[in-house]
Order: sequence, then C-alpha cells, then structure tokens
Amino acid sequence: NTKITQSPRYLILGRANKSLECEQHLGHNAMYWYKQSAEKPPELMFLYNLKQLIRNETVPSRFIPECPDSSKLLLHISAVDPEDSAVYFCASSPTGGAGNERLFFGHGTKLSVL
Amino acid sequence: GEQVEQRPPHLSVPEGDSAVIICTYTDSATAYFYWYKQEPGAGLQLLMSVFSNVDRKEEQGLTVLLNKKDKQLSLNLTAAHPGDSAVYFCAVSAGFASALTFGSGTKVIVLP
Repeated sequence: NTKITQSPRYLILGRANKSLECEQHLGHNAMYWYKQSAEKPPELMFLYNLKQLIRNETVPSRFIPECPDSSKLLLHISAVDPEDSAVYFCASSPTGGAGNERLFFGHGTKLSVL
Repeated sequence: GEQVEQRPPHLSVPEGDSAVIICTYTDSATAYFYWYKQEPGAGLQLLMSVFSNVDRKEEQGLTVLLNKKDKQLSLNLTAAHPGDSAVYFCAVSAGFASALTFGSGTKVIVLP
C-alpha cells in the first residue's frame, strides 16, 4: 500500500525525542495512530477527523499527536520508555467514525527503545 | 466496553483445505464487522467488511458469517494456498466515533 506512507520505517531510540510522520493520498478525512506490541492486536491511540482530535485513548503524555492538515499526521514522542517498543501504524478512513469505517493502514514504524 | 475473543490463536492448514476463524463479541450494539490480514512486516489489509443486516458474505474464496444471536463472526478460507499464510484479525465497531476493537489474531500457516 503506497497510498499511506509512514516514516521512518525503523527507529531505534535511547531517551531521545523523535517524531513519526504519516501522509495519506486517499483523500480521507479521518486519520488514526495505532500501537501494536509484539504478538498483540493493534490498539487505538488517537483519532482525528477533519483535523480535529475526536478520540484520545489512555496514552502516556509523552505521546503528542499533531494533524497539520487532513492528509498528514504526526506523532511526537519525548523521553521514550522501553514499554514504548512496538510498531506504530498510521491509518486513514473516508469519514471519521461515521460507522462503516474501512480503515487503510500504512506499513508502520517499528520503534525499538534501547 | 466491547471485548472480542478470537480463536484459534494458531492454525496450520494443508494447502487446498479450508480453515475457519471465529470471533465472539460482547456488545449487542456492535454494527460493523471487519476481517483484516497482516503479512509479516506489513500493515493490516482489509479483507471484508459487513454490516449487521448481513448474515453471509462471500468474496474471492472467503466467506464471512455473522450470527447476531450468538454474537459470533467467522471467516472461512476455502481452498487455502501459501499466499494465505498470515495473521488474521477480526475487528468490530459500534458506529460513530467508535474505534475498531480488534480480536487477538490468528496466525495461519498453509502447509504445502
């Protein structure tokens, strides 16, 4: 799926600050960040619809999302913790949780915390 | 909140055979149902979505059955081939601003 691009693909961090980026070329209104830990299903972190944050799950405050426009999504991470090691997926859907949401996922960013 | 149980966690299927994955959900307000496929190192790929007014849907060798009475959703892979080897997730949603709740996943290995 090249219509949702995420960067970087791999990220190895000590206790540094970093940002994950996502861009979708599908014309969708809603964008999501999901976290997938090893051998687990994806868990929703944040949901934006038309640049507005409408779902903000229980996520440590060191994760700060940003949606500069409806096609771009950022995830700023400060002072990562080893429990943050996971794959972070960006996803998008035509409308923000209007019901029949067909989510399209990017390839993910694999974060490894040293 | 919604809980989704998925079984089995692992499935080895001889090539050409069928495989069934079952999910059980708890919220009777759940209206939207999905099956996703995840290949190693990749994101999730949507296979099929069904609304609650559909009991059965077939597409490209896959059959989804929805039993609302028992709150059960199943995926049947017919005539499995090696390209079907992946992790399969069911996911459900109750509607507006409801995020997807995923099952725990089933790792399917198709044996040549």
